[in-house]
Amino acid sequence: EPEVTQTPSHQVTQMGQEVILRCVPISNHLYFYWYRQILGQKVEFLVSFYNNEISEKSEIFDDQFSVERPDGSNFTLKIRSTKLEDSAMYFCASSGWSSTDTQYFGPGTRLTVL
Amino acid sequence: GENVEQHPSTLSVQEGDSAVIKCTYSDSASNYFPWYKQELGKGPQLIIDIRSNVGEKKDQRIAVTLNKTAKHFSLHITETQPEDSAVYFCAGAAGNKLTFGGGTRVLVKP
Repeated sequence: EPEVTQTPSHQVTQMGQEVILRCVPISNHLYFYWYRQILGQKVEFLVSFYNNEISEKSEIFDDQFSVERPDGSNFTLKIRSTKLEDSAMYFCASSGWSSTDTQYFGPGTRLTVL
Repeated sequence: GENVEQHPSTLSVQEGDSAVIKCTYSDSASNYFPWYKQELGKGPQLIIDIRSNVGEKKDQRIAVTLNKTAKHFSLHITETQPEDSAVYFCAGAAGNKLTFGGGTRVLVKP
């Protein structure tokens, strides 16, 4: 069964450093998403991406964040200058042919900012 | 924007009993309500979903009900088994942005 994969599973970085979180969505899916979950809090929407551009983003997704689909398979989230409060679990998701199709989530990347 | 509230935050049930988790939402434009199960160290896995043109949906031991007027929806798990132990999240969506509830940690005691 196709699945969303994410790397790395755990990333530790120093405050102020740039990090790139990587995701491989399900093949043939057209919609891609990033969510995050701070420990003990709700899963929060960050951004959705379709047709090589951002279709929607939340207030959390400020200028420090960017997304890219550098090739036909990868989908990345870059945090330019990490802050302590960026420490969270980051989930990538993808959905198929419609924006209201089921979203399938990856296993997540735990980001720890020291 | 949408706000989804989920109750209870923890639920302990005896194996074989039923478990019910309830969610409310605020945005009347929301029309899609998935439920996800998250096991330790894994991402959320879809277990069932319901769209606003349907009042109830069932898949084996799992059922979801939706009351659009009252803006609430519920997950029902019957004949619970130890492998049902996990964190369950409800979510609502108008379009492709999911807004999640706070999660319910379900423990099924053998």
